[in-house]
Amino acid sequence: DGGITQSPKYLFRKEGQNVTLSCEQNLNHDAMYWYRQDPGQGLRLIYYSQIVNDFQKGDIAEGYSVSREKKESFPLTVTSAQKNPTAFYLCASSILSGPGYGYTFGSGTRLTVV
Amino acid sequence: RKEVEQDPGPFNVPEGATVAFNCTYSNSASQSFFWYRQDCRKEPKLLMSVYSSGNEDGRFTAQLNRASQYISLLIRDSKLSDSATYLCGTSGNTPLVFGKGTRLSVIA
Repeated sequence: DGGITQSPKYLFRKEGQNVTLSCEQNLNHDAMYWYRQDPGQGLRLIYYSQIVNDFQKGDIAEGYSVSREKKESFPLTVTSAQKNPTAFYLCASSILSGPGYGYTFGSGTRLTVV
Repeated sequence: RKEVEQDPGPFNVPEGATVAFNCTYSNSASQSFFWYRQDCRKEPKLLMSVYSSGNEDGRFTAQLNRASQYISLLIRDSKLSDSATYLCGTSGNTPLVFGKGTRLSVIA
């Protein structure tokens, strides 16, 4: 079955560590996105990529980095510069970027700073 | 003003009731509109797209009012399984912007 796989499901990070969240899709979608969700909050856009080897910052990119070396993969690194990283991270994809295309989400990664 | 606003609820309704949610958006250039359903501690799942002429999918009806810049979701004959948070999302030529969601609890 086609879909988006995020791993790990739960991740614990020590202060000062960088961690990388995996996102892989086999839907042949061009566009991929990373959102962050805090309790009782909506989804906030971190980064997005419309095509391989290209990505743009979203509303809250500070302290995060991404790469898009393959169409199927869009990993997110949470760096030590991100001061409040505890959140639910959601990866999504769409056939193309732009209006008219709904997103398919992965099952998310819950990151906790310990 | 926030870009996309929703009443957080919770809306507590009995089984079989009809319930409606609104979602207002501030970007007049928005072209795409969606309703997503999110269960507790799960990912959002696409419920339905919202078309200019309005659209229906079983017990769910979505409508768009461009003049007043809001979209609505109507759920008829509510089921216990409809209990969830409903997120609206809008986009122009940028990625989807989501509201914070409206929580619905359907009570037996």
